[in-house]
Amino acid sequence: SQQGEEDPQALSIQEGENATMNCSYKTSINNLQWYRQNSGRGLVHLILIRSNEREKHSGRLRVTLDTSKKSSSLLITASRAADTASYFCATDRDRGSTLGRLYFGRGTQLTVWP
Amino acid sequence: DVKVTQSSRYLVKRTGEKVFLECVQDMDHENMFWYRQDPGLGLRLIYFSYDVKMKEKGDIPEGYSVSREKKERFSLILESASTNQTSMYLCASSLRQGFVRAKNIQYFGAGTRLSVL
Repeated sequence: SQQGEEDPQALSIQEGENATMNCSYKTSINNLQWYRQNSGRGLVHLILIRSNEREKHSGRLRVTLDTSKKSSSLLITASRAADTASYFCATDRDRGSTLGRLYFGRGTQLTVWP
Repeated sequence: DVKVTQSSRYLVKRTGEKVFLECVQDMDHENMFWYRQDPGLGLRLIYFSYDVKMKEKGDIPEGYSVSREKKERFSLILESASTNQTSMYLCASSLRQGFVRAKNIQYFGAGTRLSVL
């Protein structure tokens, strides 16, 4: 079952611009993660934010979390062509969270044009 | 670095064949997962395992089974492959941690693209 839903489904920008992707989820959580997937490859973990955190940074990535709205955003600043990929949010659940299971959204396809 | 290795990148099988997809991880992770990924549907969990010989059904277990005889290896079995099982299959592993501080970061293999003809 899907827990997170990313928005938009697809995003197309020029190099140097910022890219913002959003994720909404349904149940209360312990943490929320963002993953990246290059075309035809596996997912790679990017960043994790805990339910008691509001913002987190890692290099050009900035993640925010609003638990009252059950939503998160991923901002990639000064994007590069190499950032072209699909981005997924994933949540656990703070009740009934079973043994490390994560719930993934359908992803946002980001295309960065040179 | 954690390494999750899937035995094949591409696989072509015929309808009715028994298909084995193998996944090996080298970081002594307790948890292992099998997903399938289809366009527009995201990742859907087929089965997962939290220990040797233990397994739990995910959201779409029908037509699949799994085997976890050793901690590092998690196999996905298609008992009788059908064309609707043509998909990208992703294996992942994670460390089992105490509930309160668990991060549950999953590490993925490169994927197996299976075509059933």
